[in-house]
Amino acid sequence: EAGVAQSPRYKIIEKRQSVAFWCNPISGHATLYWYQQILGQGPKLLIQFQNNGVVDDSQLPKDRFSAERLKGVDSTLKIQPAKLEDSAVYLCASRPDGGFSGELFFGEGSRLTVL
Amino acid sequence: KNQVEQSPQSLIILEGKNCTLQCNYTVSPFSNLRWYKQDTGRGPVSLTIMTFSENTKSNGRYTATLDADTKQSSLHITASQLSDSASYICVVSAISGANNLFFGTGTRLTVIP
Repeated sequence: EAGVAQSPRYKIIEKRQSVAFWCNPISGHATLYWYQQILGQGPKLLIQFQNNGVVDDSQLPKDRFSAERLKGVDSTLKIQPAKLEDSAVYLCASRPDGGFSGELFFGEGSRLTVL
Repeated sequence: KNQVEQSPQSLIILEGKNCTLQCNYTVSPFSNLRWYKQDTGRGPVSLTIMTFSENTKSNGRYTATLDADTKQSSLHITASQLSDSASYICVVSAISGANNLFFGTGTRLTVIP
């Protein structure tokens, strides 16, 4: 079974530039998450999708971050314009259902460096 | 407020030694608790899941415990290996709520030869 795919693995941009990250979850997984993980910290939820609908985006900085999950499969996270404090690893995770016990399957992450 | 706290923040041990990582939580109503291992540059991978009725569960050299009364969990690593060097993240699930997953900040374990 293929895992969660993310790209790019690494991205370096200057502040005020834009960047987009892509995630393809495990086939059949209804729930998809984007997390931001700053060095030395645990993952922080940015947005949760159930199929192609948003379940929770309360911690997404909507003035600069946007995300979509068209057709309920793959997803894109965009940052525009980027700030220095956006330097982090962006993790995508999926799980098969919207229940409470399912294991999260994470991708390798996309490491963003903002100069 | 739903919170998950882990200790220690970091730990260095000699290869072959044992260690114990702690996770305290205030998440309610509680559904389950998972320990994830995150190797450097990789995404977290689930090691074990603990539900309300379970006290101990083992996965090879990893043994997790849960005390639902005191809302504490521990992850014990036996006979550590260099490959155990990683961050270990405690994630607690609540039964209800749109965002029902609560993450600890992790313990960074370094095993040295």
